[in-house]
Amino acid sequence: GAGVSQTPSNKVTEKGKYVELRCDPISGHTALYWYRQSLGQGPEFLIYFQGTGAADDSGLPNDRFFAVRPEGSVSTLKIQRTERGDSAVYLCASSLNGASEAFFGQGTRLTVV
Amino acid sequence: AQSVTQPDIHITVSEGASLELRCNYSYGATPYLFWYVQSPGQGLQLLLKYFSGDTLVQGIKGFEAEFKRSQSSFNLRKPSVHWSDAAEYFCAGLLTGANNLFFGTGTRLTVIP
Repeated sequence: GAGVSQTPSNKVTEKGKYVELRCDPISGHTALYWYRQSLGQGPEFLIYFQGTGAADDSGLPNDRFFAVRPEGSVSTLKIQRTERGDSAVYLCASSLNGASEAFFGQGTRLTVV
Repeated sequence: AQSVTQPDIHITVSEGASLELRCNYSYGATPYLFWYVQSPGQGLQLLLKYFSGDTLVQGIKGFEAEFKRSQSSFNLRKPSVHWSDAAEYFCAGLLTGANNLFFGTGTRLTVIP
């Protein structure tokens, strides 16, 4: 597609459940980022992929959060045992090579009830 | 610690009036600096960026920003605001060699007729 696509756009889940959020980057972009945006805050970095590998996962808040990008394109952010504090908009971005402009998707709004 | 500060949470301007949104950074070295705009339900869109060189940077939609090293600032300006400029604006910094953007908390712009 023309831009970064994130699915679903909205996700409501019960506390304790497992969720997966998907990001489809711009074709040919090797760099992929996940950010989390809580209400009233700016986006906060979670993880950065260069190709298939997680080059920097220092922003993941704890071991309930995990992300993969097995073929160097689509990425999935996985959250285990969700907590109400995980409620936020999860943003994905991609860039051509990590040193150029990052393009953001519209985000997935996760609500944990 | 590296940070980006946007001191104004909410600004209201009349359509046709000039606009200035403030951004201050705190880094060990001068970072790359960016301004993004986020409209409701939309992803983050890059307005402009500063890497080096000319301290006055022109962006899309008639926006410009001026980098002032002495004040550690990168304020966003527009000479005449349009109703469609109503949105959330984020300033962000990126250290050379780093992988992730540091965002400010955002400034919400309201435009009144």
